[in-house]
Amino acid sequence: EAGVVQSPRYKIIEKKQPVAFWCNPISGHNTLYWYRQNLGQGPELLIRYENEEAVDDSQLPKDRFSAERLKGVDSTLKIQPAELGDSAVYLCASSSGGLGETQYFGPGTRLLVL
Amino acid sequence: DAKTTQPTSMDCAEGRAANLPCNHSTISGNEYVYWYRQIHSQGPQYIIHGLKNNETNEMASLIITEDRKSSTLILPHATLRDTAVYYCIVDYGGSQGNLIFGKGTKLSVKP
Repeated sequence: EAGVVQSPRYKIIEKKQPVAFWCNPISGHNTLYWYRQNLGQGPELLIRYENEEAVDDSQLPKDRFSAERLKGVDSTLKIQPAELGDSAVYLCASSSGGLGETQYFGPGTRLLVL
Repeated sequence: DAKTTQPTSMDCAEGRAANLPCNHSTISGNEYVYWYRQIHSQGPQYIIHGLKNNETNEMASLIITEDRKSSTLILPHATLRDTAVYYCIVDYGGSQGNLIFGKGTKLSVKP
């Protein structure tokens, strides 16, 4: 069974440019998460989806970040415009939901903003 | 903030058992103990989780104290490929779960 797929794996952009990350969760997983991991730190949740509904986006910087999961399957996270401080690894995870279920992570997208 | 406390780093000799402790004194009744690890430049990898009973799978064993205030992850025969940061997380899991990662334990397996 395929795991969580993310693309691109690496992205280098100049500040003020837009950037988008794509995630395809494990088949059948209704819950999808986006995390950001700064260098030397653990991942931090940005947004959580239940099917196509964003049920927790309290940590998403809404002035420049947006996300969508239109058909309740794959998802896109966008930053516009990017700032130097956005350099980080952006991780996607998915879960089948339900108490005690496990989140499975993708390999992440490493973003460098110059 | 993370609800767990772990040592910053540990060393283990290759082939020996690695025992990674975790304190979670404020864990609530329905929260699980999850363990993930992260090898450099990779996404976090799920290892094991448990509620009350000890658990074992092909990767590791999880020992949870009777009062559930602490746990130990055991890698029975550590290899160099087990060198990673290990995260202990308490969470409800599934659709109610927002994993809150602390700084984890950096495990170095040495030849």
